[in-house]
Amino acid sequence: GAVVSQHPSWVICKSGTSVKIECRSLDFQATTMFWYRQFPKQSLMLMATSNEGSKATYEQGVEKDKFLINHASLTLSTLTVTSAHPEDSSFYICSAKILAGVPYEQYFGPGTRLTVT
Amino acid sequence: GENVEQHPSTLSVQEGDSAVIKCTYSDSASNYFPWYKQELGKRPQLIIDIRSNVGEKKDQRIAVTLNKTAKHFSLHITETQPEDSAVYFCAASNAGNMLTFGGGTRLMVKP
Repeated sequence: GAVVSQHPSWVICKSGTSVKIECRSLDFQATTMFWYRQFPKQSLMLMATSNEGSKATYEQGVEKDKFLINHASLTLSTLTVTSAHPEDSSFYICSAKILAGVPYEQYFGPGTRLTVT
Repeated sequence: GENVEQHPSTLSVQEGDSAVIKCTYSDSASNYFPWYKQELGKRPQLIIDIRSNVGEKKDQRIAVTLNKTAKHFSLHITETQPEDSAVYFCAASNAGNMLTFGGGTRLMVKP
């Protein structure tokens, strides 16, 4: 149980285009989903917290107009990188908290490798 | 906000030896401290966690200790094996909210 999927697992796009990444909780409902970014050989940095039906809360320094987050249901959150640039190339990972269950634990998706050329 | 420091950044041990990774946190309100193992290109995998009402927790070869007064917690891996080689991250959170990660430790277990 507690499986989180992400799609796509990797994507290559051209500079200036937009890319959408999906995060799904497959066998549970998620109150909250989190989006992280991880550059090579670095730690996970929280980008934003997403709650179903409400606006995402972005961390300081993360442009909300560039990284659009939509949490339309209790099982799906999407991250859209708009007008992508090479410096946006990174490993994007989502995580989800269970609606009814262990309150502390987060379940991570497998990540999406974004390369902007 | 919370700040988590992790040491060392790299750790090389001989197979069978023990490995210890240490983290400190800044926010006294933090009450949940998970440890994750991440292999290259994969998701972080929870290996053990501890809550602030417990001082120590053990799961086979892995143990975590927490000192709330000093605001530090440590991961102990005994009888290390080559498959333990990975990057390990500590993290801290308050009441199950956002996780703040440490910088990571690259553990290399030499056979």
